Amino acid sequence: AQSVSQHNHHVILSEAASLELGCNYSYGGTVNLFWYVQYPGQHLQLLLKYFSGDPLVKGIKGFEAEFIKSKFSFNLRKPSVQWSDTAEYFCAVNERSSASKIIFGSGTRLSIRP
Amino acid sequence: GAVVSQHPSWVICKSGTSVKIECRSLDFQATTMFWYRQFPKQSLMLMATSNEGSKATYEQGVEKDKFLINHASLTLSTLTVTSAHPEDSSFYICSVRYPSSYEQYFGPGTRLTVT
Repeated sequence: AQSVSQHNHHVILSEAASLELGCNYSYGGTVNLFWYVQYPGQHLQLLLKYFSGDPLVKGIKGFEAEFIKSKFSFNLRKPSVQWSDTAEYFCAVNERSSASKIIFGSGTRLSIRP
Repeated sequence: GAVVSQHPSWVICKSGTSVKIECRSLDFQATTMFWYRQFPKQSLMLMATSNEGSKATYEQGVEKDKFLINHASLTLSTLTVTSAHPEDSSFYICSVRYPSSYEQYFGPGTRLTVT
């Protein structure tokens, strides 16, 4: 079955630490990949997306993600986190043949210690 | 990004009653909208794809007679939870698909509490 896996359920970091959140998917065809963020009490916002081209994608707020096709992965990174990055992060995948349905991973809660 | 609104933002209803949730695309005409539900501290689960002018496509395990979706115009989709029960209490989120794109923009969600 098609799925999206986020292995870290809760990550706790101190400010200025580096961040990497894992995301793996299991789809056979061509995919589009997304990272969404949900700040406390707010709605989902798109952090970054990959459709094609350069597998290293830069998004908003200093985030980036790398698509590694051979590993079916799309990990999210940030070199130096801030307290304001405290949020829930969702990896999501759309298989291009599936009428734009986006399937979400289980999410990773990121807590930043000031 | 596109602006998507939902109404109401929070609703409390009694068991057995029906509740209608609206999702509006404020920036562009959306032929395709999506409905998700999110349980506390969990991910979004796709319920159905709402297509303007045609029947919604429901995901496996979602009761179409319980969760009625109507996409009567290019800017409005509605989700009606019929004969609601406490287990239907959840956060319901809609999204709109940007035309000719794979991107989706999400509404702020509607919290449904069934007592």
